[in-house]
Amino acid sequence: QKEVEQNSGPLSVPEGAIASLNCTYSDRGSQSFFWYRQYSGKSPELIMSIYSNGDKEDGRFTAQLNKASQYVSLLIRDSQPSDSATYLCAVNLPGYSTLTFGKGTMLLVSP
Amino acid sequence: NAGVTQTPKFRILKIGQSMTLQCTQDMNHNYMYWYRQDPGMGLKLIYYSVGAGITDKGEVPNGYNVSRSTTEDFPLRLELAAPSQTSVYFCASSPHGADSSTDTQYFGPGTRLTVL
Repeated sequence: QKEVEQNSGPLSVPEGAIASLNCTYSDRGSQSFFWYRQYSGKSPELIMSIYSNGDKEDGRFTAQLNKASQYVSLLIRDSQPSDSATYLCAVNLPGYSTLTFGKGTMLLVSP
Repeated sequence: NAGVTQTPKFRILKIGQSMTLQCTQDMNHNYMYWYRQDPGMGLKLIYYSVGAGITDKGEVPNGYNVSRSTTEDFPLRLELAAPSQTSVYFCASSPHGADSSTDTQYFGPGTRLTVL
């Protein structure tokens, strides 16, 4: 079974700090990687996607991908209390039009 | 655009009852998905569809059925409800499919189902 692993947390950081969220995946054939944010009681929403090794920046968010290590991460700079949510890592299942999701990491940003 | 809509928002079923969870999208997306999310867990794919008339099983299809007669609608049917089906159900749609470099899945607000 293809797996996506994340620390469940919670990851607690003070306001203004950098939050680092990590994800590993088992299928070397995966090509597309996504980070979804889910507030409590709400549906997931896409915040970042990455397909090539290296870094991809979008505002305060940076996604990092290392396919050799089968590792993808999300950095959130200048963390805000409004960033407090569960962050879901998702990886495409090669040959299928579907995603495999990790269990998510809960991030708590304290004022 | 309303995006992805789901009905009902909440439902309580008795063991053995049947129901249909409705999902509609107005973005003309070919790809649609049904997930369930149990507390503290990620999303598990139940069924998906790559276009009208085409459906396929996901990771946890047992106890569920789907149909896709139109691009817009993708209902999920529970035939004999069991306590193990207590969960939050999310429908999603996307324009290209998860193997595409430009894909984004758009999620509905979810249906919270309790089976007693």
